[in-house]
Amino acid sequence: EDQVTQSPEALRLQEGESSSLNCSYTVSGLRGLFWYRQDPGKGPEFLFTLYSAGEEKEKERLKATLTKKESFLHITAPKPEDSATYLCAAFSFSGGYNKLIFGAGTRLAVHP
Amino acid sequence: EPEVTQTPSHQVTQMGQEVILRCVPISNHLYFYWYRQILGQKVEFLVSFYNNEISEKSEIFDDQFSVERPDGSNFTLKIRSTKLEDSAMYFCASSGGRDTGELFFGEGSRLTVL
Repeated sequence: EDQVTQSPEALRLQEGESSSLNCSYTVSGLRGLFWYRQDPGKGPEFLFTLYSAGEEKEKERLKATLTKKESFLHITAPKPEDSATYLCAAFSFSGGYNKLIFGAGTRLAVHP
Repeated sequence: EPEVTQTPSHQVTQMGQEVILRCVPISNHLYFYWYRQILGQKVEFLVSFYNNEISEKSEIFDDQFSVERPDGSNFTLKIRSTKLEDSAMYFCASSGGRDTGELFFGEGSRLTVL
């Protein structure tokens, strides 16, 4: 069964304290790995697409990396406005159709 | 910046009633989607829609659900005879291409079934 697992479930950081979020996946027909940010009561907001192992993407304080079995979202010197739930999603052709398979997310809280 | 808009933001309904959730996708996008998120759970795919027909749907999207693009701008999700377990946040999304996970999501419609 296709599965996307994120860890930790929740992470509390002090402002400026760098860390990494993990996304491990077991997905057949993987076409890409996506990171989204979700603020409370809002829809997911697209951050990054990764298509092949070894690929890296950066945006401000965030960097996403991909291996054959997992992806990491590195947060460097985070600020309170980075507080959100970060969702990892595998884009897969599975069960006869294309779909995004979301992980449960990591709730990040950055405190000043 | 173009965005996906959804209405209503919150709807409360009685079990067994029909509900229609509305979405206006980004204007030049051709692919439309509905996802749902039950409180505290993962975002789950329901259905994708292209060229006025369903292109893909998940196991969740049974005969209780239907989608429609009644005009050039709106995209609707109808839930017939709602059940308690239909209570969730329903997200509409659109994309410019089929083979992409880069979806633009709306802010969601929270459905509460009593």
